Amino acid sequence: DAGITQSPRHKVTETGTPVTLRCHQTENHRYMYWYRQDPGHGLRLIHYSYGVKDTDKGEVSDGYSVSRSKTEDFLLTLESATSSQTSVYFCAISEPRTPAAFFGQGTRLTVV
Amino acid sequence: GDSVTQMEGPVTLSEEAFLTINCTYTATGYPSLFWYVQYPGEGLQLLLKATKADDKGSNKGFEATYRKETTSFHLEKGSVQVSDSAVYFCALAPPGGYQKVTFGTGTKLQVIP
Repeated sequence: DAGITQSPRHKVTETGTPVTLRCHQTENHRYMYWYRQDPGHGLRLIHYSYGVKDTDKGEVSDGYSVSRSKTEDFLLTLESATSSQTSVYFCAISEPRTPAAFFGQGTRLTVV
Repeated sequence: GDSVTQMEGPVTLSEEAFLTINCTYTATGYPSLFWYVQYPGEGLQLLLKATKADDKGSNKGFEATYRKETTSFHLEKGSVQVSDSAVYFCALAPPGGYQKVTFGTGTKLQVIP
């Protein structure tokens, strides 16, 4: 298995609170991604990173921010969580010119 | 924009049956096409891919052929096993845009002994 670790694996938080999800890789891949998975939508890209401090928005980036200060870590922050952000969040990694091939086990986030 | 349409699931098959999961796409140009698999409780894994028309991607007994004329990329396997029970996602990436993959909604496959 590719070395991708997401933390926490499960979290329940209240509306309006900030939340940070962490993705850690040991593969030294250049690209890292955050997706959300919701019933009826498949996976949708939130943000991705193509290097340290280099990030770009995906399809559903509103309400989310990301940071990458080291190659191995990619953080996803919900500044003020809303119930619509209840979802399963997946981190993924890839090398240049390849699609996301390795995914973490996911973080189930519930906003109440 | 780009989109992927998969057949509704769940699909329930007996062990050793033939599997087809339909996938069609809408995109400009010549996208790359992928199938991903998600086993229960796990993240997705890239199963196979095809990057140009008439290419056949294959892996673990699964295969899919890139059909430009019908904009399709159907997943097939000749003899399924219980261990193939999972959710399968069809996906595409625009030319030069591997970072922005568009996923279908997934098709759940259940294989019964």
